[in-house]
Amino acid sequence: QSVLTQPPSVSAAPGQKVTISCSGSSSNIGNNYVSWYQQLPGTAPKLLIYDNNKRPSGIPDRFSGSKSGTSATLGITGLQTGDEADYYCGTWDRSLSGGVFGGGTRLTVL
Amino acid sequence: EEQLVESGGGLVKPGGSLRLSCVASGFTFSSYSMNWVRQAPGKGLEWVSSINDKSNYIYYADSVKGRFTISRDNAKNSLYLQMNSLRVEDTAIYYCARMGPHDYSNYWGQGTLVTVSS
Repeated sequence: QSVLTQPPSVSAAPGQKVTISCSGSSSNIGNNYVSWYQQLPGTAPKLLIYDNNKRPSGIPDRFSGSKSGTSATLGITGLQTGDEADYYCGTWDRSLSGGVFGGGTRLTVL
Repeated sequence: EEQLVESGGGLVKPGGSLRLSCVASGFTFSSYSMNWVRQAPGKGLEWVSSINDKSNYIYYADSVKGRFTISRDNAKNSLYLQMNSLRVEDTAIYYCARMGPHDYSNYWGQGTLVTVSS
């Protein structure tokens, strides 16, 4: 059971928009920055969003992040088949004194 | 270009030990905190341990506390994970990752597979 809660799967058609939620508590998301990672099959995770809503260099603006209270959301617009991957949210948990991840969400582009 | 290369994984029996290494290049290793994150087969990401630049702040997941030890040698641009009393449930790909200022991991290695089995 992960400390952060994500839906196991989401799906949408090419060109459409999808959102992935990440729910936590005041000890983690509520008082820390959230990051999001994309993991393509058979590869290492890749940072997509950091500090709740910032994109590293090279990440297209189709990817966006937001945070409100103890929840965060990853948004992906203009879906492409190459976006099919597992997506994870992550943050620091002050009560655990450790990093925490969501259980991951598998995106299927139909 | 920032690069992290892990090594040291392999097959080990329950109760055994392994030492993972991660060599960094392309950035000033001594200026960054570092993470170990693992992923069991078919499962999600699990944070394992973090160490700051000067090795004076170290954190462990409860699942490995007392069995694993993180360390670094800034002169060798290297991060380590000493894993003792290994259990079957420690079987995973172990990634090292460079940390940003707010606890995110912005560069990841390709991972090294640890298999604990009799």
